[in-house]
Amino acid sequence: GQSLEQPSEVTAVEGAIVQINCTYQTSGFYGLSWYQQHDGGAPTFLSYNALDGLEETGRFSSFLSRSDSYGYLLLQELQMKDSASYFCAVSRGSFQKLVFGTGTRLLVSP
Amino acid sequence: NAGVTQTPKFQVLKTGQSMTLQCAQDMNHEYMSWYRQDPGMGLRLIHYSVGAGITDQGEVPNGYNVSRSTTEDFPLRLLSAAPSQTSVYFCASSYSRTSSYNSPLHFGNGTRLTVT
Repeated sequence: GQSLEQPSEVTAVEGAIVQINCTYQTSGFYGLSWYQQHDGGAPTFLSYNALDGLEETGRFSSFLSRSDSYGYLLLQELQMKDSASYFCAVSRGSFQKLVFGTGTRLLVSP
Repeated sequence: NAGVTQTPKFQVLKTGQSMTLQCAQDMNHEYMSWYRQDPGMGLRLIHYSVGAGITDQGEVPNGYNVSRSTTEDFPLRLLSAAPSQTSVYFCASSYSRTSSYNSPLHFGNGTRLTVT
């Protein structure tokens, strides 16, 4: 089977840096994605890693270590609008069969 | 360009009733899928389609049917609603069959379904 583990909640203050970890166990691994979801909204794509290393997109970066079955999402210069849930998702097989983690709720305070 | 459109936004059903959740995309995306989201459970894949006329099961397909007669539409049918199907349902599409940086999933705004 497959499973993904990520912390249920993380808190931080505006301007800080926060890291959300994700460990996974799955067969047929293709890549690790990150999605953001505000309360009552739809998930939106943030980042994707197929190979080991760091991908940077503005204030957000994502890291993957395939040998450790581990990745993280790094959010810098936190803003209040970053308060949301963040999901890691594993791509399995040759099709877009994403398996999502249970999500990390990020609370950013002033 | 509307993206992924889901209707209805809210629905209440009685146990045993059937209904169809609609999903349409105007991005000419090849891949479409349905997820359900329950508190503390993340998103779970119900069914997916890699193109018109092709569908397959995801993690939690029981109690649901899908069809893909056109590239644009991917309706989800609940055959006989049960309280366990109370959930938020998201339809998603992507350009490519394979996940990549250039082919993320685009989600609709969801249908909030309550079965009493």
